[in-house]
Amino acid sequence: AQSVSQHNHHVILSEAASLELGCNYSYGGTVNLFWYVQYPGQHLQLLLKYFSGDPLVKGIKGFEAEFIKSKFSFNLRKPSVQWSDTAEYFCAVNARGSFQKLVFGTGTRLLVSP
Amino acid sequence: NAGVTQTPKFQVLKTGQSMTLQCAQDMNHNSMYWYRQDPGMGLRLIYYSASEGTTDKGEVPNGYNVSRLNKREFSLRLESAAPSQTSVYFCASSPPDTQETQYFGPGTRLLVL
Repeated sequence: AQSVSQHNHHVILSEAASLELGCNYSYGGTVNLFWYVQYPGQHLQLLLKYFSGDPLVKGIKGFEAEFIKSKFSFNLRKPSVQWSDTAEYFCAVNARGSFQKLVFGTGTRLLVSP
Repeated sequence: NAGVTQTPKFQVLKTGQSMTLQCAQDMNHNSMYWYRQDPGMGLRLIYYSASEGTTDKGEVPNGYNVSRLNKREFSLRLESAAPSQTSVYFCASSPPDTQETQYFGPGTRLLVL
């Protein structure tokens, strides 16, 4: 079975700082990878996803993630965060070929101070 | 389009009471899901329905039942609520392809006393 680890549970940054959130997964086969974001009081929204092709994926709001197969990682990055990026970020994975059973990481709470 | 809607938004129950959480989607998606979100544990899949007429257990199904009423609606029932079921419940839907995104509802916050 798949599992997902997000090692940073809480991150505090100042505006304009760079962001990198770690995500590692455990699964022996081919996977699809996702980052979801949950803004305060809102539901989960998709930030970006990787299925195949270029391992550097660009998403909404200036976020990007890089899939490194050898490291089983899919880290999320943003060069310069804004106060409005304050949210909880979830990495998720599903095994390709299986019915859409997403496995989520435990989430990272990001607080950006103005 | 409203997307995925959930009712109620918030509910308080006493231990042993029952309730049904409702979920509906208007995107003509085949697949629907119920998750619970707990602090420090992320989202965990309770039940899912790959298509109308089918339901399957997810990671944490104990204490819950589901009904896929039709293509649009997927309800989650707690027959005898327990404090351990205090959580935020999210419904989601998606087209059947594994590469498609899941779309989430706004959530139901449940407190069991």
